[in-house]
Amino acid sequence: SQQGEEDPQALSIQEGENATMNCSYKTSINNLQWYRQNSGRGLVHLILIRSNEREKHSGRLRVTLDTSKKSSSLLITASRAADTASYFCATVPTDSWGKLQFGAGTQVVVTP
Amino acid sequence: GAVVSQHPSRVICKSGTSVKIECRSLDFQATTMFWYRQFPKKSLMLMATSNEGSKATYEQGVEKDKFLINHASLTLSTLTVTSAHPEDSSFYICSARLGGRYNEQFFGPGTRLTVL
Repeated sequence: SQQGEEDPQALSIQEGENATMNCSYKTSINNLQWYRQNSGRGLVHLILIRSNEREKHSGRLRVTLDTSKKSSSLLITASRAADTASYFCATVPTDSWGKLQFGAGTQVVVTP
Repeated sequence: GAVVSQHPSRVICKSGTSVKIECRSLDFQATTMFWYRQFPKKSLMLMATSNEGSKATYEQGVEKDKFLINHASLTLSTLTVTSAHPEDSSFYICSARLGGRYNEQFFGPGTRLTVL
């Protein structure tokens, strides 16, 4: 079953702008992961943030996690046309034996 | 990083035939592999968890007799769609996990199945 709810469902921005997307979930988690998927392709792992972490950076990506609100955000700074993709959050609930539960995803389009 | 391959990338078959999809971890040994299904513009739905040397664990609502999973080695898992029908047409993605249950999963590029 899907646990994550992502917001917005779609996002259209210009190159150079920042893109922010949010993910909410319902159960206690061990970690939360963000993935990118280009159209018709597999998923690329972006960042894993554990339940005891609040913020993590990787290049132009910044992920926050608020376990009290059961929410996470992914910020892409200075976006590029190559960032055009679908972005999914996936939680690993503490009782799931490591199974990922994916959100519905945010489709991001970056226009030059 | 860890690389996972899938074969074939695309397959078209006639209704009633069976199709086998392979998932391989190329540069690491994966004790656990996962099979997902994705409909157009939708999220991934976990179908089953595959552990090397043991029977796969299927998610609720997934027919184990229709979607046969074999995890014969630490680098190979196969998904066989038996007696395929048009409603089985979908994008199938596998992933492999290195190490403990809370570690990240590495995804294959996916297989597009079209059943005529």
